[in-house]
Amino acid sequence: GQQVMQIPQYQHVQEGEDFTTYCNSSTTLSNIQWYKQRPGGHPVFLIQLVKSGEVKKQKRLTFQFGEAKKNSSLHITATQTTDVGTYFCAGDTGRRALTFGSGTRLQVQP
Amino acid sequence: SQTIHQWPATLVQPVGSPLSLECTVEGTSNPNLYWYRQAAGRGLQLLFYSVGIGQISSEVPQNLSASRPQDRQFILSSKKLLLSDSGFYLCAWNLRTGVEKLFFGSGTQLSVL
Repeated sequence: GQQVMQIPQYQHVQEGEDFTTYCNSSTTLSNIQWYKQRPGGHPVFLIQLVKSGEVKKQKRLTFQFGEAKKNSSLHITATQTTDVGTYFCAGDTGRRALTFGSGTRLQVQP
Repeated sequence: SQTIHQWPATLVQPVGSPLSLECTVEGTSNPNLYWYRQAAGRGLQLLFYSVGIGQISSEVPQNLSASRPQDRQFILSSKKLLLSDSGFYLCAWNLRTGVEKLFFGSGTQLSVL
């Protein structure tokens, strides 16, 4: 079936270091979304990418959508303790429901 | 503004007991509604989604069922809970057309003992 893979599963960084999570789909995506889930909380929408090769920035966060629309990445520059949480990508494969990646849990050491 | 309410926040149930989780959305009409389950430290598994009253699509065969008796009400049920039904259950909605980002409820932590 259609799958969205996400790596790494877990990353522990020192505050101030950069962080990147990668998302790969087995099928072409019409769009991809990114969510953040704080510990004990629910996922919250961060951004949506639609165009091939699209790059969007939100302060220290940079999101990219691959040229083939099968992969995406989220890069955080100079992590802070407030960045702690699990980051999920979710792809629109043309079905009515988004397919979520398995998530990357980020831990930031102060 | 739109809001989504999900209850209860936590639930401890014995094996074999029934389950009913409720989710309601306010401030919008004709939303798509979803039930996801998240095992501890894992990703989101889509269980059911609905595009209208009485229209339910099931993604994973299991002993859970869903119903949508009203436009903005989505219910997750089970007649007999299994240990493997433990997890964090999330209700979500999005607009039928246009931007399709999901808005999640605060979730229900279900422990089946």
